[in-house]
Amino acid sequence: QKEVEQDPGPLSVPEGAIVSLNCTYSNSAFQYFMWYRQYSRKGPELLMYTYSSGNKEDGRFTAQVDKSSKYISLFIRDSQPSDSATYLCAMKGIGLIFGTGTLLAVQP
Amino acid sequence: NAGVMQNPRHLVRRRGQEARLRCSPMKGHSHVYWYRQLPEEGLKFMVYLQKENIIDESGMPKERFSAEFPKEGPSILRIQQVVRGDSAAYFCASSRSDTEAFFGQGTRLTVV
Repeated sequence: QKEVEQDPGPLSVPEGAIVSLNCTYSNSAFQYFMWYRQYSRKGPELLMYTYSSGNKEDGRFTAQVDKSSKYISLFIRDSQPSDSATYLCAMKGIGLIFGTGTLLAVQP
Repeated sequence: NAGVMQNPRHLVRRRGQEARLRCSPMKGHSHVYWYRQLPEEGLKFMVYLQKENIIDESGMPKERFSAEFPKEGPSILRIQQVVRGDSAAYFCASSRSDTEAFFGQGTRLTVV
């Protein structure tokens, strides 16, 4: 079993939709959780960072962590075509481990 | 405060040559992570370093690959005797101990 599981997609939604991206993990030692966005041929860009169970909101983005279920989510409200990218979850324990990424396409 | 700087951005090497990839972390960051990414694939962990120490190199091939993060200067990922299969984008990220990690823009290595 991989330490971090993420549905690779692709996920295609219409503009304005609410997007839900998810990751599960198996290692209870993970303490910090991040979401990155990566455009083609660019470096990953940090979107959200959280270290506790619950919700954290930043503009149209909400990160949710459920440590008891070992499950994290990223919600994107009012999705825009410019949100089309690969979204990667990452977890930090001893090192920094990534999911495989979910490719999101927001159709205008 | 400059972000994570990687250079060169593009590197072309002939088979059998050496490739040296440099990563200057953000100011105040003492943790560096190196990842490799093939086209249309996810980030594959290679190595995690703190100043002068390799913490986890479980993702790095045993042969031809090495990494260092000296007390002064950038972190270096070194690939000896490159082969075509080494062609990829190599990303580094840096962080403080218990904070978020930031990425550089990557080095795209092409082996011809």
